[in-house]
Amino acid sequence: DTGVSQNPRHKITKRGQNVTFRCDPISEHNRLYWYRQTLGQGPEFLTYFQNEAQLEKSRLLSDRFSAERPKGSFSTLEIQRTEQGDSAMYLCASSRSGATGTGELFFGEGSRLTVL
Amino acid sequence: LAKTTQPISMDSYEGQEVNITCSHNNIATNDYITWYQQFPSQGPRFIIQGYKTKVTNEVASLFIPADRKSSTLSLPRVSLSDTAVYYCLVAPRDTGRRALTFGSGTRLQVQP
Repeated sequence: DTGVSQNPRHKITKRGQNVTFRCDPISEHNRLYWYRQTLGQGPEFLTYFQNEAQLEKSRLLSDRFSAERPKGSFSTLEIQRTEQGDSAMYLCASSRSGATGTGELFFGEGSRLTVL
Repeated sequence: LAKTTQPISMDSYEGQEVNITCSHNNIATNDYITWYQQFPSQGPRFIIQGYKTKVTNEVASLFIPADRKSSTLSLPRVSLSDTAVYYCLVAPRDTGRRALTFGSGTRLQVQP
């Protein structure tokens, strides 16, 4: 399978714990996005990387959230001191830059976080 | 970014054609209109994209009037498996720093 892969698919944690999600994008894609989605809402943009550079961060990304893409390949999203309001589906997407093509985002199946 | 407005939900029956309209009054000259589909517990999936007039692929058709202030996604002869949330997005093709913004989408329920 050469699609976007996210791990773990499900994570249950207690409030105050740290959690980390990993995203492996499609190999030739240089852009990587993180979104968060709560029940009944559309995905909300969190952050965006082009290669290893984090070029944009949403105001939704509080100080407790940090994302990295150290070698321009996989990415991690860490949430420190989790709160119940962090419970959501965390979606990763990748795309290829360039003037041609549709700019289509390819999404993974998401990592569902439940904070007790 | 151009704001989009689409119905919250729609109901249909198997075999019918479904048309979902999206309003985007503030669309910019270099913006394209893109539709994504999302099933429960999955990430969104690209369906179709267009700039003007009509675009058709194996899944859907997209109709865009001359003023481009709205667009209509047409799903021919829907089946139960088309039950999903459909998002209309407006953005330049090479979004770069302008990340795609999803609204709440339209929940389509197809019944037998």
